[in-house]
Amino acid sequence: GAVVSQHPSRVICKSGTSVKIECRSLDFQATTMFWYRQFPKQSLMLMATSNEGSKATYEQGVEKDKFLINHASLTLSTLTVTSAHPEDSSFYICSARDIRLPYEQYFGPGTRLTVT
Amino acid sequence: EDKVVQSPLSLVVHEGDTVTLNCSYEVTNFRSLLWYKQEKKAPTFLFMLTSSGIEKKSGRLSSILDKKELFSILNITATQTGDSAVYLCAVIKAAGNKLTFGGGTRVLVKP
Repeated sequence: GAVVSQHPSRVICKSGTSVKIECRSLDFQATTMFWYRQFPKQSLMLMATSNEGSKATYEQGVEKDKFLINHASLTLSTLTVTSAHPEDSSFYICSARDIRLPYEQYFGPGTRLTVT
Repeated sequence: EDKVVQSPLSLVVHEGDTVTLNCSYEVTNFRSLLWYKQEKKAPTFLFMLTSSGIEKKSGRLSSILDKKELFSILNITATQTGDSAVYLCAVIKAAGNKLTFGGGTRVLVKP
């Protein structure tokens, strides 16, 4: 079945530093990947849609200069949280849309970011 | 603005009970509704519903969509402790492929 990996699974960083999270589709090609964040006991909130070879589309209220997204290939998208602050601490989840199955999305296992 | 609302927020049942989870939506250009189960990590896909009135089943789980009344239900029969999770529904629109999630229903199944 379709597998999506994320790396790292957990990261702790200091305030002011930047953190990069990778999302890979392992056995399929994904022209589109999505980045979500989830606060404790809350639902997933879409942050941005990442399209291979073009700029990401950000949801309202999401700072594009703070959350840099790069989708350089059909199997890899990265999210960089720049100048992280404690309020950026959250669970970040990516999903990937299989190029052959346009309405299904497969989720990665998530990355828990803690900013101290 | 698109809205997806799930109820109840949470429930506690005992093994063997049946649970019914609700998801109502208000979206323009609706295409499909999806159900996910989330335990400690990312959501796992359960069902995708596109047509009204056609029940989808997988083991003890089943789901149906009502496009006239704009809601879906997810049923779990003969619940087991392993069914304890947050159940999320999401809608996807005909144009584009963004998922809009509901707030989730937290289910706890006690032995």
